Amino acid sequence: QSALTQPASVSGSPGQSITISCTGTNNDIGTYNYVSWYQQHPGKVPKLLIYDVDNRPSGVSNRFSGSKSGSTASLTISGLQAEDEADYYCCSYTSTVPYLFGTGTKVTVL
Amino acid sequence: QVQLQESGPGLVKPSQTLSLSCSVSGVSISSGTFFWNWIRQPAGKGLEWIGRIYTSGITSYNPSLKSRVTISLDTSKNQFSLKLNSVTAADTAVYYCARLSIAPRHKGGWFDPWGPGTLVTVSS
Repeated sequence: QSALTQPASVSGSPGQSITISCTGTNNDIGTYNYVSWYQQHPGKVPKLLIYDVDNRPSGVSNRFSGSKSGSTASLTISGLQAEDEADYYCCSYTSTVPYLFGTGTKVTVL
Repeated sequence: QVQLQESGPGLVKPSQTLSLSCSVSGVSISSGTFFWNWIRQPAGKGLEWIGRIYTSGITSYNPSLKSRVTISLDTSKNQFSLKLNSVTAADTAVYYCARLSIAPRHKGGWFDPWGPGTLVTVSS
């Protein structure tokens, strides 16, 4: 099964809001509410930002929020900051693999 | 605080077996609440889930790797291990171990925390 589809890059100015999409199928995002999001700075370990579509672990800034519509999940970063420049990956439980990551999105703060 | 740490050879020859261990501290892998996973990331590329093991020893693997992968537990050392046989250059990657948490009565879950990762290069 192919990776979930994310835009290769998204950019925004400080203070703006950006949204990263993660598109799957009825085998994954379309059926299950088990989408998580991870932030990875260069050379660093992925960090959990969102779990089960829209839940934020303690310690994660409330500038990060998640949602889902149909087979597409989204991560929104509000009040964009320089420290948000990183790669972002979605992940979904699936009926086949059973965990599938997205292709990854590089966020650039202009 | 739960911490994971990968260990193992950084260089493996083609056609041989890649073997890694993940030492867990701060929680017993026998606690029955979590799944223990291996995930890899080739340089400059995305994340790929390799497989997981539960405290009962039940495993689940990525179908794309299933024929070559074995994940096992060593509860006496509070660690779990990965074996990937018949490796090729395509298996060169940073290998992470990670804990998977699943909410009650749910199927999916989330990976947290992760180990720092270990680079494994397949080359003669």
